[in-house]
Amino acid sequence: AQSVTQLGSHVSVSEGALVLLRCNYSSSVPPYLFWYVQYPNQGLQLLLKYTTGATLVKGINGFEAEFKKSETSFHLTKPSAHMSDAAEYFCAVSDGGGYNKLIFGAGTRLAVHP
Amino acid sequence: GAVVSQHPSWVICKSGTSVKIECRSLDFQATTMFWYRQFPKQSLMLMATSNEGSKATYEQGVEKDKFLINHASLTLSTLTVTSAHPEDSSFYICSARDARQGRAIRYGYTFGSGTRLTVV
Repeated sequence: AQSVTQLGSHVSVSEGALVLLRCNYSSSVPPYLFWYVQYPNQGLQLLLKYTTGATLVKGINGFEAEFKKSETSFHLTKPSAHMSDAAEYFCAVSDGGGYNKLIFGAGTRLAVHP
Repeated sequence: GAVVSQHPSWVICKSGTSVKIECRSLDFQATTMFWYRQFPKQSLMLMATSNEGSKATYEQGVEKDKFLINHASLTLSTLTVTSAHPEDSSFYICSARDARQGRAIRYGYTFGSGTRLTVV
């Protein structure tokens, strides 16, 4: 069965600093991996996804993630944090690969301080 | 891009009444809909998966008689919380997918904006 572990329920960075949100997955099949952002009382917005092909995936708002099969990781990074990046971030893997139901990690709350 | 409209965005109801939440795909055909529940400061828990024209598949522990899901058309799915109680208060989010060949790759999953349900 697929599962997702997000290390660190809370991450705090200074504005302009590197953002690194960690995600490790478990999957018995080639995974489809996703990062979503959620602002308070809103739905989820897709930041980026990995399905096949290039392992370094670029998303919206300057975020990117690298799929590392050997490490079963899909960490999310952004070179320079902005105040508007403060939100909840979820890593997810599709169950059984493909576009089946999503299995979400517990989420990481990112705080950005001046 | 693909857009999913979810209504209402918030609702307050009395204990014992039923509440219907709508999830509508605006510019694509949603052959599959997913309904999630999210408790404060927690992750999303999948409640059920529905395919257009067939019965929903509920996750273990989810009461199908309490959370009625109808996916009667390719653009609309509804979640009805029947005989709501305060413990049903939560944030409910739908997600839609066009599962036809080639389209899922383009659109993936699209989420609604969520519904905050408060049962008093």
